[in-house]
Amino acid sequence: KQEVTQIPAALSVPEGENLVLNCSFTDSAIYNLQWFRQDPGKGLTSLLLIQSSQREQTSGRLNASLDKSSGRSTLYIAASQPGDSATYLCAIGGTGGSYIPTFGRGTSLIVHP
Amino acid sequence: NAGVTQTPKFQVLKTGQSMTLQCAQDMNHNSMYWYRQDPGMGLRLIYYSASEGTTDKGEVPNGYNVSRLNKREFSLRLESAAPSQTSVYFCASSDSGLAGYTFGSGTRLTVV
Repeated sequence: KQEVTQIPAALSVPEGENLVLNCSFTDSAIYNLQWFRQDPGKGLTSLLLIQSSQREQTSGRLNASLDKSSGRSTLYIAASQPGDSATYLCAIGGTGGSYIPTFGRGTSLIVHP
Repeated sequence: NAGVTQTPKFQVLKTGQSMTLQCAQDMNHNSMYWYRQDPGMGLRLIYYSASEGTTDKGEVPNGYNVSRLNKREFSLRLESAAPSQTSVYFCASSDSGLAGYTFGSGTRLTVV
């Protein structure tokens, strides 16, 4: 059974810092990995999707990398802003013929001015 | 471009009442999912539908039923609501997972 771990569970940083959020998974035979953002009381918004054949994806100040062999993905946030405050979740998009995603518990990020 | 639409957004039920949560997607996705999210528990899969005409149990199906009405719509029914079903419910869809997953904005359900 795929297990997904996100470290740290919570993070508080001053504005302007560069951040790295971590996601690790136990089964490397994945189809893809997706990073989401969830604001309090809201739904999940997709940030980046990395297919199994890709090493990284970039969108603005966000960069996500994928290393299947080590079972790890990182989400890099450059020059953090208070508006980045949210919970970030990673989801493994299925393994071994199953397309059911497995989610981590998330990293709760606070960026203070 | 609506994506995944869930109704209602909020609901308060009394113990024993029934209700149906509605979900519709306009992306022509094959697969649809129902999750519940509780503090400290993360997202837990209730039921999913890999394609029109099929449904399967997820991690926490007890107390729920689902209907894949057509390719667009996937509803979740609580036949006899219990306080343990107080949660935020999310519907999601995907094109068999290969292009990622799209979530609705959620239904916040309170059972008193």
